[in-house]
Amino acid sequence: EDQVTQSPEALRLQEGESSSLNCSYTVSGLRGLFWYRQDPGKGPEFLFTLYSAGEEKEKERLKATLTKKESFLHITAPKPEDSATYLCAVQGFSGGYNKLIFGAGTRLAVHP
Amino acid sequence: DAGITQSPRHKVTETGTPVTLRCHQTENHRYMYWYRQDPGHGLRLIHYSYGVKDTDKGEVSDGYSVSRSKTEDFLLTLESATSSQTSVYFCAMGSGGTGNTGELFFGEGSRLTVL
Repeated sequence: EDQVTQSPEALRLQEGESSSLNCSYTVSGLRGLFWYRQDPGKGPEFLFTLYSAGEEKEKERLKATLTKKESFLHITAPKPEDSATYLCAVQGFSGGYNKLIFGAGTRLAVHP
Repeated sequence: DAGITQSPRHKVTETGTPVTLRCHQTENHRYMYWYRQDPGHGLRLIHYSYGVKDTDKGEVSDGYSVSRSKTEDFLLTLESATSSQTSVYFCAMGSGGTGNTGELFFGEGSRLTVL
């Protein structure tokens, strides 16, 4: 059964304090791994897609990396506006294109 | 120009009553999805649609039905609401070239409370 586990559940950082969020997954053949950002009271917003181990994607202060068992979302010198819940999702070959398995998310709070 | 809108945004209802949530998109995407989000569970797929009158079940489809009579509208119906269906419901559409990828564009959500 495809599964996604995110850690930590919550993370508090000071502005400028870099850190990483973890997404561990088990899937029967990975089609893609996706990162989303969700602000309170809003729908998730797509950030990145990773397809194969070793791949990296960057956007502003965020960099996503992928291995065969996990993905990391690195946040460099975060700002308060980076505060949000970050969701990871996987798409496996057995589930088909249309079935994403989401993790429960990591709530990030960045304080000035 | 949200591209995808959900209605109602908030609803309180009583156990046993029918409820319909509406999702409307203006992007002409083929693929549309209904998810529910509960604390500690992440987003879980209820049903999805891959075209007009073409729908399929997700992982938590029991107690829900969907209909898609037009490309732009995807309706989620709870025939007889139960307290376990209290949740935040999100509609999404595929944003990739063919729409059938994990790069989804989500609506703002509909918060449903069943008393």
